[in-house]
Amino acid sequence: AQSVTQPDIHITVSEGASLELRCNYSYGATPYLFWYVQSPGQGLQLLLKYFSGDTLVQGIKGFEAEFKRSQSSFNLRKPSVHWSDAAEYFCAVGDTNAGKSTFGDGTTLTVKP
Amino acid sequence: DTEVTQTPKHLVMGMTNKKSLKCEQHMGHRAMYWYKQKAKKPPELMFVYSYEKLSINESVPSRFSPECPNSSLLNLHLHALQPEDSALYLCASSQEGGRNNQPQHFGDGTRLSIL
Repeated sequence: AQSVTQPDIHITVSEGASLELRCNYSYGATPYLFWYVQSPGQGLQLLLKYFSGDTLVQGIKGFEAEFKRSQSSFNLRKPSVHWSDAAEYFCAVGDTNAGKSTFGDGTTLTVKP
Repeated sequence: DTEVTQTPKHLVMGMTNKKSLKCEQHMGHRAMYWYKQKAKKPPELMFVYSYEKLSINESVPSRFSPECPNSSLLNLHLHALQPEDSALYLCASSQEGGRNNQPQHFGDGTRLSIL
């Protein structure tokens, strides 16, 4: 069965600093990978997705992620964090056979002024 | 503004009440989902409808009853809930369900409290 691990439960960065959130997945075939962000009191919003092709994908709000098959990773990055980026971030892998996605446990991002 | 609309935003109900959560999307998506989310946890899948037919039921207790009246609407009927059912209930949609695994669009959820 597929699984997703987000090793960092909580990350704190200063505003303007760079950010990397880690995601490792376990899936037998080529994965469909997603990053979602959830601000307090809101639903999840898709930041970016990887299906195939270029392993560096660009998303909304200045985020990007790199798919590394050899490391089974799909880490999310942003060069300069803004206070409004403080939120919960979920990595997810799509299971094409089961027709559903499996979410990681999430990483809480705190941004210091 | 979210493209998936959920009502109500907040709901407080007793354990003997019957209520319904509603979800609507007008993006032409053919798959719709119900999730339950506890604080500081990822969403847990409950049900998936694909082309208006129930395709996945994640062994959800029968006190939760989903309904998909048409391709734009998804309801979740609640009856005799327990205090542990208090959570944020999220609706989502995607272009297609099944093997296609399109990204999902989420509503802002209904915050449900069971007294």
